[in-house]
Amino acid sequence: GIQVEQSPPDLILQEGANSTLRCNFSDSVNNLQWFHQNPWGQLINLFYIPSGTKQNGRLSATTVATERYSLLYISSSQTTDSGVYFCAVLAAGGSEKLVFGKGTKLTVNP
Amino acid sequence: NAGVTQTPKFRILKIGQSMTLQCTQDMNHNYMYWYRQDPGMGLKLIYYSVGAGITDKGEVPNGYNVSRSTTEDFPLRLELAAPSQTSVYFCASSYSRQPHSGNTIYFGEGSWLTVV
Repeated sequence: GIQVEQSPPDLILQEGANSTLRCNFSDSVNNLQWFHQNPWGQLINLFYIPSGTKQNGRLSATTVATERYSLLYISSSQTTDSGVYFCAVLAAGGSEKLVFGKGTKLTVNP
Repeated sequence: NAGVTQTPKFRILKIGQSMTLQCTQDMNHNYMYWYRQDPGMGLKLIYYSVGAGITDKGEVPNGYNVSRSTTEDFPLRLELAAPSQTSVYFCASSYSRQPHSGNTIYFGEGSWLTVV
């Protein structure tokens, strides 16, 4: 099945810093989503982005489907950005299974 | 809107006991999923359903059963609970797998299950 690799596994930032999280996937996809899991365990949709670029406030994401990767940018990070960021993909070709990467754990220090 | 609702939020089970995690969604979504998340790991798919009366296995189905008698409900049953089933369980739903803007997957708040 499709493989999803996220990097880095852990990231520690000072408040105000920028960061880039990466998601590589091993096959063509019909769906790619970024989620934020907050310290209370809630999973929040950030972006639905199987291709192209989207922006929402301080967050933006770019997926280059032909090269099988996606990037999540966080600018001017805040302590509330802490948590785990997951990339999840739905493989093209008939799969109905959304496959998750292992996540990037982000800690933003004040 | 309630979205995806899971119950219970926390539960402690003894080895060999059975229980059902309830999941309901009010968005008229076709697709529903059960995932488990072990500490420090991503989510692994247990079972999924593409519509009422249809269910299929995910990556880690052993020790679990599901049913989908209505569009809204997708309960997950644990028979003969084992310590390896200690995990956080997430129910999720989405409209369909066909890609279009806004076709996102929505998660419940999670159910913390400990088997002792």
